[in-house]
Amino acid sequence: QSALTQPASVSGSPGQSITISCTGTSSDVGADSHVSWYQQHPGKAPKLIIYEVSNRPSGVSNRFSGSKSGNTASLTISGLQTEDEADYYCTSYATSFTYVFGPGTKVTVL
Amino acid sequence: QVQLVQSGAEVKKAGASVTVSCKASGYTFTNFYIHWVRRAPGQGPEWMGIIRPHSGRTQYVQKFQGRVTMTMDTSTSTVYMELRSLRSEDTAVYYCAREAPESYHFDYWGQGSLVTVSS
Repeated sequence: QSALTQPASVSGSPGQSITISCTGTSSDVGADSHVSWYQQHPGKAPKLIIYEVSNRPSGVSNRFSGSKSGNTASLTISGLQTEDEADYYCTSYATSFTYVFGPGTKVTVL
Repeated sequence: QVQLVQSGAEVKKAGASVTVSCKASGYTFTNFYIHWVRRAPGQGPEWMGIIRPHSGRTQYVQKFQGRVTMTMDTSTSTVYMELRSLRSEDTAVYYCAREAPESYHFDYWGQGSLVTVSS
């Protein structure tokens, strides 16, 4: 059982925007800004797409954006494309020096 | 380019030990931390611990204390994760992942190593 809560699946049509939520507690997501998001295609290594709540690494499309309010972080994918179909995981550094993950959200492009 | 290349799949009997390796290249090995994360079938990822190559310091999740050891060989830029007293619940894909010190995120990941524990 994961420490963070994510929806199991989210779907959208090409060009639409979707948002994936990631809910934790005041000891992890709500504690500071150390929330990151990862994209994983089947059989591939996870790829960092958002760090420190809302920062994008170099080379990551600006269609990916992150935000946070209280104990819930969110990942928004705008202008949905077929290559965005993947699993998405959130993670947060927690106050007890540990990292907690969400169970992952499967994004389907209709 | 930065690469973390892990060892291959393993099948082990319950009670045995497994060692997974993670060979780093494309950057200065001692300048970045290495974490281990596992994902069991049907479950979310689980953080196992960290090794800091510049010092060798490790920190493990309490759940794995006494069963896991993370080590490194700076001469080959390789990190090892040994898990002992394997049980069926340890069946998972094990990943190594890199962190720039105190950045609190994992910027590169290994390809994963499947460990299957059979009874």
